[in-house]
Amino acid sequence: EADIYQTPRYLVIGTGKKITLECSQTMGHDKMYWYQQDPGMELHLIHYSYGVNSTEKGDLSSESTVSRIRTEHFPLTLESARPSHTSQYLCASSEHGSGNTIYFGEGSWLTVV
Amino acid sequence: GENVEQHPSTLSVQEGDSAVIKCTYSDSASNYFPWYKQELGKRPQLIIDIRSNVGEKKDQRIAVTLNKTAKHFSLHITETQPEDSAVYFCAASRGTGFQKLVFGTGTRLLVSP
Repeated sequence: EADIYQTPRYLVIGTGKKITLECSQTMGHDKMYWYQQDPGMELHLIHYSYGVNSTEKGDLSSESTVSRIRTEHFPLTLESARPSHTSQYLCASSEHGSGNTIYFGEGSWLTVV
Repeated sequence: GENVEQHPSTLSVQEGDSAVIKCTYSDSASNYFPWYKQELGKRPQLIIDIRSNVGEKKDQRIAVTLNKTAKHFSLHITETQPEDSAVYFCAASRGTGFQKLVFGTGTRLLVSP
């Protein structure tokens, strides 16, 4: 079934650790996104990609980095996690062109202690 | 850049009543306006969207209206049911080749039996 898969779903890590949140989609979409969402709050775009080898920063400044080596894969990395990074991270994708539905993954809940 | 304001932040209704959520946007070039529903602990899911060449769109119990002149759009849910309880997000974007959605702050809808 076509979907967007995120791992891990839940993670608790210590301050200073490096973490990579994985995102893979089988939707066949060119565009991919990372949104950050605190519980019950609005979604903020932190990274996006037009396609392979394309990465752009979103509207909300983030210390995380992303890569897009394969169309279906868009991992997000935090080199040194801090408590302020505690949040939910939602990966998403959409087809090429404007006005196309953005589909979200189930999210990765990150807690930094 | 685009700014989307959403009201109310919380809305409580009795089962069977109607619910209306309103959003305003700032960028007159925005032309795509989706609405997402996010149930507790789940991913946001598109429930309806509208493009700027249309004034109203309906899908069973939900409808969206758009007033381009006033730069606002609204979600209408009729005959509400307890399973409609969730957080609803509006969003807006320009159709300039990239789907960069800006989300509102969300409305928590509670439908009481």
